[in-house]
Amino acid sequence: GQNIDQPTEMTATEGAIVQINCTYQTSGFNGLFWYQQHAGEAPTFLSYNVLDGLEEKGRFSSFLSRSKGYSYLLLKELQMKDSASYLCARDSNSGYALNFGKGTSLLVTP
Amino acid sequence: EPEVTQTPSHQVTQMGQEVILRCVPISNHLYFYWYRQILGQKVEFLVSFYNNEISEKSEIFDDQFSVERPDGSNFTLKIRSTKLEDSAMYFCASSEGGTTGGEQYFGPGTRLTVT
Repeated sequence: GQNIDQPTEMTATEGAIVQINCTYQTSGFNGLFWYQQHAGEAPTFLSYNVLDGLEEKGRFSSFLSRSKGYSYLLLKELQMKDSASYLCARDSNSGYALNFGKGTSLLVTP
Repeated sequence: EPEVTQTPSHQVTQMGQEVILRCVPISNHLYFYWYRQILGQKVEFLVSFYNNEISEKSEIFDDQFSVERPDGSNFTLKIRSTKLEDSAMYFCASSEGGTTGGEQYFGPGTRLTVT
């Protein structure tokens, strides 16, 4: 299997920083994706990590450690609109599918 | 900005009936996907399609499911005999390359309700 584990829920305060962790099975791994999903809407792409290290894109950054099967999504300067589910996903061994985790529901409070 | 479109937005059908969900992928994309999400659960991969054939399918994608690209723009998912447990949001997605090439763009989804 390609078990992907991430926390179910997190709460953070507007303006703060939050880190959402994700672990995955490393066999046949190519890259790690993060998607954002607001309630009732489609997932939207946030980041794609192939190499080890941190990739920064505005308020959002994503980190990958291939050897540890570990990634995190870092959200800075949280805004109320960041309240959403954050989905960690890795590609299948064949490279033709995304396998998603259950998602982390983030609530940003005033 | 180009986007994936899906029709209908909501489909209600009776158990045992056939449904066809339609998608128009982004025009220059070569890889097409269907995912589903049962309410409150994770997004699950169903099938991927490239070069007019299925490139990968999950255990969920059994004989009652089929996909087709009937013309140069549409990509369809057919469920032959719907079951109550098929009730879910169905997302179509497309990408320029396979998953190793990066982002998949998701459509807004079709909510299927089987009664």
